[in-house]
Amino acid sequence: NAGVTQTPKFQVLKTGQSMTLQCAQDMNHNSMYWYRQDPGMGLRLIYYSASEGTTDKGEVPNGYNVSRLNKREFSLRLESAAPSQTSVYFCASSEPAGRNQPQHFGDGTRLSIL
Amino acid sequence: GDSVTQMEGPVTLSEEAFLTINCTYTATGYPSLFWYVQYPGEGLQLLLKATKADDKGSNKGFEATYRKETTSFHLEKGSVQVSDSAVYFCALNRETSGSRLTFGEGTQLTVNP
Repeated sequence: NAGVTQTPKFQVLKTGQSMTLQCAQDMNHNSMYWYRQDPGMGLRLIYYSASEGTTDKGEVPNGYNVSRLNKREFSLRLESAAPSQTSVYFCASSEPAGRNQPQHFGDGTRLSIL
Repeated sequence: GDSVTQMEGPVTLSEEAFLTINCTYTATGYPSLFWYVQYPGEGLQLLLKATKADDKGSNKGFEATYRKETTSFHLEKGSVQVSDSAVYFCALNRETSGSRLTFGEGTQLTVNP
């Protein structure tokens, strides 16, 4: 039972490079999320997708794009990486039916931008 | 806007000590409240939740009570173990936000044997 799977687990980029973080869930959830985690700041929502075919900006969307490829997969793209984007990125999924449904998280992608 | 404030960390305790991690929130309406736990190298896991005022959430010996009058949801455990060492996040979900969560900054707990 994999739950939420993120790839890669670690990545080092140079400033200006691009990359895509992959996320897939096998729980048939409708909603998916991308967060970044920085020391002392908790988790901040970058983008979310309430259902297949829809995406919306969260708290800190600048410098990122997302694609909800299908119900299972939700990718996060950095078009031109900047050192300020060095962070740990988490993908999560949940059922939207009822706001009390827990979010299920992947193990994170640790991204360093030099 | 919505916000969650947790007590400043890190917190270091000896095994079997009593734990309190404070959490207060600001939100309109009647949010649901959650505690998530993050063990080293892992993603967050739901620890417990409460969906209305005076509800008590509990799991694995941890408890938290939804206090609307003080806008608080403090996490407590009577006797911590070394295995409880982790980062704890308080979060809220407002009724008009779908399933989106607003997180506090997290509190690092270290329990020494």
